[in-house]
Amino acid sequence: NAGVTQTPKFQVLKTGQSMTLQCAQDMNHNSMYWYRQDPGMGLRLIYYSASEGTTDKGEVPNGYNVSRLNKREFSLRLESAAPSQTSVYFCASSEAFRFSGSDEQFFGPGTRLTVL
Amino acid sequence: QQQVKQSPQSLIVQKGGISIINCAYENTAFDYFPWYQQFPGKGPALLIAIRPDVSEKKEGRFTISFNKSAKQFSLHIMDSQPGDSATYFCAASIRGSGQNFVFGPGTRLSVLP
Repeated sequence: NAGVTQTPKFQVLKTGQSMTLQCAQDMNHNSMYWYRQDPGMGLRLIYYSASEGTTDKGEVPNGYNVSRLNKREFSLRLESAAPSQTSVYFCASSEAFRFSGSDEQFFGPGTRLTVL
Repeated sequence: QQQVKQSPQSLIVQKGGISIINCAYENTAFDYFPWYQQFPGKGPALLIAIRPDVSEKKEGRFTISFNKSAKQFSLHIMDSQPGDSATYFCAASIRGSGQNFVFGPGTRLSVLP
């Protein structure tokens, strides 16, 4: 039982390059999330997926796209990276679905992204 | 109305002392208040959580105090240990509604030996 896994752990991009961050969970959770963490700002929600095939924008969605490939996997894509997207990205999952299930969010180890 | 405020930004405590971190929220629809602990290089992990139908919850050395009328809640760490040194995030959400999960900015706790 690996919990929530993320790849890659580190990435350096040049401005304008694209990349996809991968996330998978093996807990059969319904909901999955992508957050970014910046110093002094806590965790901010980028996108959220309540179930396979559904996604919703969070607080800071601009510059990102997501895909909920199946119940296990939720990817985050940067189409044209900008220095403002330098951050640590966390994927999380929870049972929560339609106002039922545990609200506890389980986090992956994070991806540290630098955009030059 | 979605903001969660947290203080202090950083905290230094001697081993054996009490660490206290405070949070305040505005949205009265929030009904789930967790605290997450994060060690350097790791993802956050749930430490303890409370719902607004109780005023206090204790798990070992960790206690959440909740004041619904003031829209405030706090984390108390008794007998603080060097191993408690981490960043602590309070959060608030509407139960079962993951997209309404809002985190505070975090408190970096250092417990001196």
